[in-house]
Amino acid sequence: TQLLEQSPQFLSIQEGENLTVYCNSSSVFSSLQWYRQEPGEGPVLLVTVVTGGEVKKLKRLTFQFGDARKDSSLHITAAQPGDTGLYLCAGAGSLSDDKIIFGKGTRLHILP
Amino acid sequence: DAGITQSPRHKVTETGTPVTLRCHQTENHRYMYWYRQDPGHGLRLIHYSYGVKDTDKGEVSDGYSVSRSKTEDFLLTLESATSSQTSVYFCAISVEETSGTYNEQFFGPGTRLTVL
Repeated sequence: TQLLEQSPQFLSIQEGENLTVYCNSSSVFSSLQWYRQEPGEGPVLLVTVVTGGEVKKLKRLTFQFGDARKDSSLHITAAQPGDTGLYLCAGAGSLSDDKIIFGKGTRLHILP
Repeated sequence: DAGITQSPRHKVTETGTPVTLRCHQTENHRYMYWYRQDPGHGLRLIHYSYGVKDTDKGEVSDGYSVSRSKTEDFLLTLESATSSQTSVYFCAISVEETSGTYNEQFFGPGTRLTVL
């Protein structure tokens, strides 16, 4: 059974600080996605990474896929209150998979 | 915006009653999914569909059934609701045209179900 472990589960930091959240597995994934979810809404896709070692940037957010495609990280530079939310990683085990599995999420709170 | 709506948005029901949740999409995507989200468990797949009348189970399918008689609608039924099915339910679609084989998913706004 494939599992995705996210850490930390909760993170509360001051505006302007940097942070990194992690998504780890013992299994290899063909692709890995990051979503952000705000209270009362559904998750929204931020990025998909598909190549080992791949780095993608979305404004102040940097996403990296591990070389072995078993892990990923999300780094936020100069966090802002608008970054507050639940961050979820999700992975597809193979290119033929009809479904993806989700980690349990990192709940991020940025204090003004 | 992938044009996904869910109804109802909120529902309170009693143990033992049947409940049906509806997911509607406007863009004729093939894949549709039902998840439940609970504190400490994240998002867990209940059932999914890969076409009209084509469905398969997810990791937490016990106590749930689904039907897809039209491309645009995917129904989730709790035949006899239990308190353990109190949760937030999300419908999602996979947009094959933009995602290729990556199964990127786009979610509806969710239904908050409380079973008393």
